[in-house]
Amino acid sequence: QSVLTQPPSASATPGQRVTISCSGGSSNIGSNNIYWYQQLPGTAPKVLIYRNNQRPSGVPDRFSGSKSGTSASLAISGLRSEDEADYYCATWDDSLRGPVFGGGTQLTVL
Amino acid sequence: QVQLVESGGGLVKPGGSLRLSCAASGFTFSDYYMSWIRQAPGKGLEWVSYISGSSTYTNYADSVKGRFTISRDNAKKSLYLQMNSLRAEDTAVYYCARMGVGAPSSWFDPWGQGTLVTVSS
Repeated sequence: QSVLTQPPSASATPGQRVTISCSGGSSNIGSNNIYWYQQLPGTAPKVLIYRNNQRPSGVPDRFSGSKSGTSASLAISGLRSEDEADYYCATWDDSLRGPVFGGGTQLTVL
Repeated sequence: QVQLVESGGGLVKPGGSLRLSCAASGFTFSDYYMSWIRQAPGKGLEWVSYISGSSTYTNYADSVKGRFTISRDNAKKSLYLQMNSLRAEDTAVYYCARMGVGAPSSWFDPWGQGTLVTVSS
């Protein structure tokens, strides 16, 4: 059971917009930055969004992050086939004194 | 460029031990917190342990506390994970990842390619 809750799956057609949610509590999302990771099939995860809504260089602006209270979301607009991957949210948990991950969302591009 | 390369994975019997290594290059290794994160087959990501740049601070997930030990050698730019009393549920791909400078966080960048640990009789 993950500390952060994500939907296990999401799907959309090319060109559409999809949103992936991540919910937690006051000791994690409520008081710390959220990060999003993309894991393409057979590869290591890579950071997609840092500090809630910042994109590393090289990440297309089709990807955006937001946070409100104890929840966060990742939005992908203009969906492309290469976006098919697993997406994980992560943050720090003050009670556990360590990083925590969501269970991951498998995105399918129909 | 910044790179992390893990090694040391393999097949081990329950109750056995294994030592993982992670070789870093392309950045000032001693400045950064480093972490191990694992992923069981077909499952999600689980943080395992982190260590500060000077090795002063370490922390472990409850699932491995007392069995795993994280360490580093800044002269060799290497991170290690000594895993003892291994259980079937420790079977996973183990990734090393760079954390932040000055304080641990959940910002992991970059990640190594991972090394597979299989615990089975």
